[in-house]
Parts: sequence; C-alpha cells; structure tokens
Amino acid sequence: SQQGEEDPQALSIQEGENATMNCSYKTSINNLQWYRQNSGRGLVHLILIRSNEREKHSGRLRVTLDTSKKSSSLLITASRAADTASYFCAKNYGQNFVFGPGTRLSVLP
Amino acid sequence: GAGVSQTPSNKVTEKGKYVELRCDPISGHTALYWYRQSLGQGPEFLIYFQGTGAADDSGLPNDRFFAVRPEGSVSTLKIQRTERGDSAVYLCASSSAAGLGTEAFFGQGTRLTVV
Repeated sequence: SQQGEEDPQALSIQEGENATMNCSYKTSINNLQWYRQNSGRGLVHLILIRSNEREKHSGRLRVTLDTSKKSSSLLITASRAADTASYFCAKNYGQNFVFGPGTRLSVLP
Repeated sequence: GAGVSQTPSNKVTEKGKYVELRCDPISGHTALYWYRQSLGQGPEFLIYFQGTGAADDSGLPNDRFFAVRPEGSVSTLKIQRTERGDSAVYLCASSSAAGLGTEAFFGQGTRLTVV
C-alpha cells in the first residue's frame, strides 16, 4: 500500500502550545500536501512541499520533508482554539493524491 | 469561479435510486479529482480527469459508479442503484495541472445519505 501512516491519530494540547503531526509514506513521492478539515466537510489547502524541498513555512505553519526517512511533519506554532480540526497529508505519486487517516487536533482554550 | 463548487451540499436518497453529484472546478483548471470520505476516515480516491478524459478511474468501487466531464470543465459523478454503504461525503478537487508541484483545491463536498 502507498498509504503510509499519520501520527498521532489524535492530539490534544493547550492554547499557545505547539502541535506536531507526522506523515509517513512507503514509496517515492512527487510532492506532499497538507490539508485541514473542519467538521468533516471541505479540505483547506495548507502547504505543498515538493520532493526536492526540505522545509516550507506559511505563517504559523512549518512543514518539513525527509525523503530518506519517507516522512513529513507539520508544525503549528502558538496554537489557537480555531486550529482545532483534522489534518491530512496527501501524497502525490503521479497523478492522484493518496490520503492517510489524518490527525485530529484539539486545542483547548 | 473563486473556488471549487459542489452541488447539492446534501442529498438524501432511497436505496436503489439513481443520484448525480455535480462539481464546478476552478476556472481554467484542467485536472479534476473525485474522492469519497467516510466518517473518521481520510478521503479515498475515486477518479481523476485530465481535460475531458478519465485518466485514472481505478478508485471507482464498482460499475454502479460513473463520472463524466464532457467539456473539460464541470463534472458529474453518477451513482446507480444506490446502496446504504454509498453514504459518505463526496469531495471534488481541481488543479491547474496534474501531479508535479500543483496544489489541488477541494470543494465543500456533497454529503450523500442513502436510507
């Protein structure tokens, strides 16, 4: 399976703390995209990182990619209650995107 | 349009009925994807279009599922003889080109409930 894993499955932190979510995959990718989903509806695109990139930033978000370990991490700094959502990584192996089961993040006020 | 639009947002149908789900991609996007998501799971790939043609339909679960994109823009996902197990959120995404280095943007989804 190309799916890989995301961990943790669920994460609960206090507002202001940092949250780190991980995503692993099994075969080489073209790129990897992180998404946020609230209430089981539309996915909001956060960051795309290409296979030749190692780190990208967007506001309070930082994504890293380690192709030798076939893993990526999403770091949310100074978390807010509004960051509560499910976070997914989508691996691109060619044309479509393969999602993992996601990490459910709860940020407590 | 400003984003990917999916209609209807909710659809309740009886077992055995036929349903159509519509996706309006971002203007100019040539690639269009359909995914299905069950509660507590990640989205599951169904089919991908490049222009008018289905470039990869390997995710369609069986021949009750069919999708078209006749003019390379709007796409319709069609489900025949619906079953209760078809209940899920159906998500559509589009991107400016397939694969390498292009972001895929998703619509809000259609929640299908088969009763």
